[in-house]
Amino acid sequence: SQQGEEDPQALSIQEGENATMNCSYKTSINNLQWYRQNSGRGLVHLILIRSNEREKHSGRLRVTLDTSKKSSSLLITASRAADTASYFCATDALNTGGFKTIFGAGTRLFVKA
Amino acid sequence: NAGVTQTPKFQVLKTGQSMTLQCAQDMNHEYMSWYRQDPGMGLRLIHYSVGAGITDQGEVPNGYNVSRSTTEDFPLRLLSAAPSQTSVYFCASSYSGESEKLFFGSGTQLSVL
Repeated sequence: SQQGEEDPQALSIQEGENATMNCSYKTSINNLQWYRQNSGRGLVHLILIRSNEREKHSGRLRVTLDTSKKSSSLLITASRAADTASYFCATDALNTGGFKTIFGAGTRLFVKA
Repeated sequence: NAGVTQTPKFQVLKTGQSMTLQCAQDMNHEYMSWYRQDPGMGLRLIHYSVGAGITDQGEVPNGYNVSRSTTEDFPLRLLSAAPSQTSVYFCASSYSGESEKLFFGSGTQLSVL
């Protein structure tokens, strides 16, 4: 089973609005990352937040992490049509062979111009 | 730097055929991994490697083999292709695998008939 689960599965908003995506995970983590995927392309890293951090900003992105609830949220402010993509959270899990990064199923964001 | 290079981009196989998906990175990354992406399932980890000579299983390793003889290359072998292996395959790498962002290749779209 997947470690992270995003909510909602799909989100449609107007340009200029804010978009919020949530991620829940099951086990203790070392850090949590958010990635973006444009249709038919590979994933691109957006932001990494460590387990001892509660909030992080990068441009129009704001990520929060609540380890007590095992959840994270990604906020995109003042969205643009170019933000249309799928967004995935990913968590690191320590395994006997080292860290492995597990992804959730993603949120598909559609920003209407 | 070319980053993470995957070949081929597209492949069609018949059930029972074998093939190798190639992945190479020129960033001197120790950590490399393979994911498959199916519609609505997000990315699922197949195998990963924390360095030359070291590999470990991910979430869905059955039907796939890997080896890591050099730092640069991490090929994925399908021993006897099955229709259930129809998917888009992504290779990813990072410097150490621990709390590091992943760099993704552009993917291989595989169809097994």
